[in-house]
Amino acid sequence: KNQVEQSPQSLIILEGKNCTLQCNYTVSPFSNLRWYKQDTGRGPVSLTIMTFSENTKSNGRYTATLDADTKQSSLHITASQLSDSASYICVVSALGYGQNFVFGPGTRLSVLP
Amino acid sequence: IAGITQAPTSQILAAGRRMTLRCTQDMRHNAMYWYRQDLGLGLRLIHYSNTAGTTGKGEVPDGYSVSRANTDDFPLTLASAVPSQTSVYFCASRPKGAGEGNEQFFGPGTRLTVL
Repeated sequence: KNQVEQSPQSLIILEGKNCTLQCNYTVSPFSNLRWYKQDTGRGPVSLTIMTFSENTKSNGRYTATLDADTKQSSLHITASQLSDSASYICVVSALGYGQNFVFGPGTRLSVLP
Repeated sequence: IAGITQAPTSQILAAGRRMTLRCTQDMRHNAMYWYRQDLGLGLRLIHYSNTAGTTGKGEVPDGYSVSRANTDDFPLTLASAVPSQTSVYFCASRPKGAGEGNEQFFGPGTRLTVL
């Protein structure tokens, strides 16, 4: 069964600190992996997308990595800010147009001053 | 309008009542989706539409119906609401294209409570 797991379920860090969120997936055949940020009360917004051949991709203070062999991805946040407080959702797409997106449950990040 | 909008923002509904959640996008995206988001679970696909005039069932379609009369609108109807349909509902759209990599754009969500 296609599945996406994320850890930790929630995380609290102090402003300015770094953190890393994990995503493991069993989706096959793999097409791409996206990380979304979802602020409270809002819809998810895409941060990065990675395809099979990409190992690392950055978007400002966000850096995503992908290991397609072990089917793992991480999202590293550098020098966290209060505005980083949100849920971060890993979404893996299987080959085939349309509805082949598998969403992880998300990691809830709280950045405290 | 810029992007994708949903209405209402929130709704409290008595069980057994009929309810339609509205979704409109002005990006001329071909594909549209309805998801529900429940605590501790990932977004789950209810129904989708790859293009105007076509619809398909997702992972959790029971109790819901959709229509896609035109490119912009994709309403979701609960014919007879039940408490288990209490959730936050997100509409999303995605452009047609070479696009396995095409991003989904999400609306702000509708929080529905069925009593």
